[in-house]
Formats: sequence, C-alpha cells, structure tokens
Amino acid sequence: DIQMTQSPSSLSASVGDGVTITCRASQSITSNLSWYQQKPGKAPKLLIYAASSLESGVPSRFSGSGLGTDFTLTISSLQPEDFASYYCQQSYSVPYTFGQGTKLEIK
Amino acid sequence: QVQLVDSGGGLVKPGGSLRLSCAGSGFTFSDHYMAWIRQAPGKGLEWVSYISSSASISFYTDSVKGRFTISRDNAKNSVYLQMNSLRAEDTAMYFCAVSISGYYRHWGQGTLVTVSS
Repeated sequence: DIQMTQSPSSLSASVGDGVTITCRASQSITSNLSWYQQKPGKAPKLLIYAASSLESGVPSRFSGSGLGTDFTLTISSLQPEDFASYYCQQSYSVPYTFGQGTKLEIK
Repeated sequence: QVQLVDSGGGLVKPGGSLRLSCAGSGFTFSDHYMAWIRQAPGKGLEWVSYISSSASISFYTDSVKGRFTISRDNAKNSVYLQMNSLRAEDTAMYFCAVSISGYYRHWGQGTLVTVSS
C-alpha cells in the first residue's frame, strides 16, 4: 500500500496569514492526488484534484502543486471559515490511502 | 443536485453484523464507481472499499477483507456495505462517496457504527 505522510499534523495561524501543508507519498503517484477540507461533524469537502485542479466553487486562495511524491496545499490568505482539518489522498493505486490529516487552528 | 443519504448504522456487539446503505440521487448512479470511507472517533479518514459501476470489480482495504462485502443495486440507485465479524476497531462514522477517477466530489452525511459489548 502507498503511505501518505502529511506535515505538519497541526498548525496555528491567524486570519490573513498564508499557510502551506505538505503531503509525501511513499512512491510516485504521478498527479493522482486530492485535497479535502473537513469541519467537525461534517463530511469532507473536495478542494483540489489531480494535484493542482481547483474544484468548482472553491475560493482561489486555495491552490495545490506537486508531482510524483511531493505535494503541497497552499492557502494564500486565511479566512475564518478555513480553520478546519485537511487531508490529502492518493488515487494512483488501491487502496486509495489518505494522509493522517492536518488540523489548522486559529492562533 | 447530487445527494447521498447514508443509513443503517447503530450499536452492535463484537462479532455481530450490520448492513449499511447509501441512496443516491441527482446523478446517473449507474455510471459511477462508489466507495465507502470511514473515520474513527477523533481520527483521520480511512478508505474502506469501492465497487465499479457495473459491480464487476470491487476492492477492500486489508483490515476488512473477508469480513466486509460491498454491493450495489443500480435499479435502486443504492450501494451497500455488509459488515460481518465486527470488531471494536471498526467503530467509526461511515461515509459513502461517488468516485470520479478515484477522488470524491460528493459524500453522504455519514452513518455511525459503534461496536461494543
């Protein structure tokens, strides 16, 4: 199975800050990577697919990049509604594993 | 609009069984792979299983192989997860999701499974 390692596990930031979350795959997954946002008690929401494609309706302050084994999710200017947990997921080979998550908290 | 409604969760004793259901609407259900993803309390997301649009292909994560069975009824726009020999570590919120090239644009609201004596 492909292991997905996210860092950091938690992050404190202020409204208006820019933040970056990284995700590393244990082997190349080309561009088969998605990013999700999850708020407490809710289902995850797709933000980015195919490593860098912005899902329809997602604000442009979210962006994704990477290829192969190393990927990043960047939020350019944090808004209050962005404080949540974020997960990467590979869809290169089954089982389609998720990273362990990054909890983004208000400083 | 696309809607997925998960149901069937509940409290079950170790070794017991449960069948989860997910009813889809607002899209051509029979065209899409479907998946189940779970989340233990306070933990991260874990991919569990998927089934192809025609039900000819299915796959499971190792921890549930031989115990869980995914199925679908395209006439009823529904996907199911039959869970047998349940263990405490299967306690989680279970979400169904529509798979599009392995990523998940639409999710159900989740149904909670608790395995406890």
